[in-house]
Amino acid sequence: AAGVIQSPRHLIKEKRETATLKCYPIPRHDTVYWYQQGPGQDPQFLISFYEKMQSDKGSIPDRFSAQQFSDYHSELNMSSLELGDSALYFCASSLAGAPNYGYTFGSGTRLTVV
Amino acid sequence: AQKITQTQPGMFVQEKEAVTLDCTYDTSDPSYGLFWYKQPSSGEMIFLIYQGSYDQQNATEGRYSLNFQKARKSANLVISASQLGDSAMYFCAMRGPQGGSEKLVFGKGTKLTVNP
Repeated sequence: AAGVIQSPRHLIKEKRETATLKCYPIPRHDTVYWYQQGPGQDPQFLISFYEKMQSDKGSIPDRFSAQQFSDYHSELNMSSLELGDSALYFCASSLAGAPNYGYTFGSGTRLTVV
Repeated sequence: AQKITQTQPGMFVQEKEAVTLDCTYDTSDPSYGLFWYKQPSSGEMIFLIYQGSYDQQNATEGRYSLNFQKARKSANLVISASQLGDSAMYFCAMRGPQGGSEKLVFGKGTKLTVNP
């Protein structure tokens, strides 16, 4: 079965650089979520999209932006990177009405800012 | 606001024994969902089990079962016959009602170590 695909798996950037993370949800899933997990921390919700519209917003810095495209893939854009942005970034997708909501996580992108 | 509390930062269990990981939650919504995820050292978030707030029976998935006590607002994960590969972080999470905020709120996690 198709899973949530995230790219790249690993990313190393320098301070003040920009990064773009990509997420390809499970086909027919209508909602995409982004989470940030710092070292030794629990995942924190950043932002979500339902049918290509922003549906909820969490503790996402103003330096970050995200969007969902017509093919339902989503991108998280991060600018002016700081050392504290080093984390594991998860994308998840779900389908309203599905068992367990079909909530599925991607394998994550590990971002290291040096 | 929804909140998940996992009070056990670390747990140890002998191989082949059962272990219970605690999770309590707080919400004012009558409709919600509870999830358990396993996160091995490789980092991926692996779905284990789900319990809906209106489900009459406790959820089970193979060696995993969820001890759901609604009145106590607890949703403990029971792993039977522990295996070395069960060593990982375990997160309890809650999702709000459909139509509301559908993000997951996570607890701090419990690190489980299975000893041979």
